[in-house]
Amino acid sequence: GAVVSQHPSRVICKSGTSVKIECRSLDFQATTMFWYRQFPKQSLMLMATSNEGSKATYEQGVEKDKFLINHASLTLSTLTVTSAHPEDSSFYICSARVAVNSYNEQFFGPGTRLTVL
Amino acid sequence: EDQVTQSPEALRLQEGESSSLNCSYTVSGLRGLFWYRQDPGKGPEFLFTLYSAGEEKEKERLKATLTKKESFLHITAPKPEDSATYLCAVQALGQAGTALIFGKGTTLSVSS
Repeated sequence: GAVVSQHPSRVICKSGTSVKIECRSLDFQATTMFWYRQFPKQSLMLMATSNEGSKATYEQGVEKDKFLINHASLTLSTLTVTSAHPEDSSFYICSARVAVNSYNEQFFGPGTRLTVL
Repeated sequence: EDQVTQSPEALRLQEGESSSLNCSYTVSGLRGLFWYRQDPGKGPEFLFTLYSAGEEKEKERLKATLTKKESFLHITAPKPEDSATYLCAVQALGQAGTALIFGKGTTLSVSS
């Protein structure tokens, strides 16, 4: 099946620093990747949609200058949380759309737990 | 506004006690309805996609069904390893990109 990996799985950083999270599709090419955020006992909230080679589309209320997304290749998208603050602590999950499937099934990565001190 | 509501929020079952999880949705036009399983601290694991009313899909002890307003995830004779949070999501027609709208999930606990 389609496998999506994320790195790192956990990161702890100081307030004001930047953190980069990688999302890779391991056995397929993903023209579109998505970044979600999930708070404890809450549902997944879409942050942005990332298309290979173009600028990401951000959801309302998500600061594009704070959450930088780069989708440089068909197998890699990165999310950089700039000048992180404690309120950015959350579980960040990426997903990738299977390019050959016209019904757009999405497969998720294992998530990255970000803790900002 | 497109919306997904899952019930119950939490469900406790004894091993072997069959039950159903509900996912009600309102969407301008349904492109697809998805079921995922999520274990604590992990990303969602894909289970099923349903595209049209009347469609059913099965996988081991799980069976997903779809009507025009809701979907059910039936769990037959559950085992403790079925304990997880089950997420329902819809994809609407006409949306830019292919974003999924998620419900809050049903947390299932199966005890032996």
